[in-house]
Amino acid sequence: AQKITQTQPGMFVQEKEAVTLDCTYDTSDQSYGLFWYKQPSSGEMIFLIYQGSYDEQNATEGRYSLNFQKARKSANLVISASQLGDSAMYFCAMSGLIQGAQKLVFGQGTRLTINP
Amino acid sequence: DTGVSQNPRHKITKRGQNVTFRCDPISEHNRLYWYRQTLGQGPEFLTYFQNEAQLEKSRLLSDRFSAERPKGSFSTLEIQRTEQGDSAMYLCASSLWKGTRNTIYFGEGSWLTVV
Repeated sequence: AQKITQTQPGMFVQEKEAVTLDCTYDTSDQSYGLFWYKQPSSGEMIFLIYQGSYDEQNATEGRYSLNFQKARKSANLVISASQLGDSAMYFCAMSGLIQGAQKLVFGQGTRLTINP
Repeated sequence: DTGVSQNPRHKITKRGQNVTFRCDPISEHNRLYWYRQTLGQGPEFLTYFQNEAQLEKSRLLSDRFSAERPKGSFSTLEIQRTEQGDSAMYLCASSLWKGTRNTIYFGEGSWLTVV
């Protein structure tokens, strides 16, 4: 079974600072994907970034980067130069890739608050 | 707007009534998923379709829940004889499965309140 653990229920960061959101995972699959989603108060889950288990480079998407440490089973999200609009819930999720399985398993989430 | 569309966005219903949610996926996406999210929790998988075929259902999906995706386009999720425990946000997502990397995009969700 797959499991995602996000140990930070809430984080408070000053605007323009970088922030790291922690995510550790557990799986027996050799091939899997790791995702980060942002959920504002409106409810929509916004895709941020993806990392495949066989990707050698850490994924980057604009201000978002994923610090993938396979041996430690961690997939931390780094947001550079935080903005007020980054305040939201952030979810780490993973999926298996065996036999076409793409069911996402989510963590509990981290509520990020950016202070002006 | 070419994203995943869900309606209604909000639904308040009395216990025992039936409700139906609709999801329109991103055009050409062959996979469609339903998730449920309760307050303070991450989304939980309910079911998914590849084209019109329902390939997997979670044990969370009791007999009162049914999902369809006729013709492999939009999907409906019906909850019969609603209970207060069904109050949650129901999220729909879609993806284009090509056998490798497969990014899943979510809609804005449908909030259900059972009173």
